[in-house]
Amino acid sequence: KNEVEQSPQNLTAQEGEFITINCSYSVGISALHWLQQHPGGGIVSLFMLSSGKKKHGRLIATINIQEKHSSLHITASHPRDSAVYICAVRAQSGGSNYKLTFGKGTLLTVNP
Amino acid sequence: EADIYQTPRYLVIGTGKKITLECSQTMGHDKMYWYQQDPGMELHLIHYSYGVNSTEKGDLSSESTVSRIRTEHFPLTLESARPSHTSQYLCASSDSRTGNTEAFFGQGTRLTVV
Repeated sequence: KNEVEQSPQNLTAQEGEFITINCSYSVGISALHWLQQHPGGGIVSLFMLSSGKKKHGRLIATINIQEKHSSLHITASHPRDSAVYICAVRAQSGGSNYKLTFGKGTLLTVNP
Repeated sequence: EADIYQTPRYLVIGTGKKITLECSQTMGHDKMYWYQQDPGMELHLIHYSYGVNSTEKGDLSSESTVSRIRTEHFPLTLESARPSHTSQYLCASSDSRTGNTEAFFGQGTRLTVV
């Protein structure tokens, strides 16, 4: 069982819909990252959070440390949001390392 | 905008060839990483470096090797490419000195060995 589980694996939405992608993890963490990967492979870091909630434009990320769960929300979704969204965690016992454990990603397709 | 670059973006090469995937960052980050990602699968760490002349193997065993002679440069080499090496390779960097563990990723190199 992967230490980081994402759901759903695939998500298709109509433009304008509110999107939620979930991430659950099984280890104590010092930080959780949400990443966006477009076709062609390049990855962009969207959020890094260790508690609470962060907002950037139409994107909102929340984390509940006690429940070991994070959500990424996209409001007023747009076709350009179509991408793979990846959740990654840095284990608490990482020490001076910076090893990320990744989920398999959620493929989001937003239709016009 | 992250200043981390990978070349080439795409590479198709024959079995047995030696290849080097380039990764450079201009942010002065001390830590650099190589990840391997098979289609539809999660990324796995194959190499990392804490600084110049420091390299370590990651969680996923890889036949590739890396070097870190300069802070900004972290190339990955396959001495003899095989079809099993076909994958996407992503380079990343972070700066441990600021206490901010955010990682910046390159665009990736999609390698196909035929």
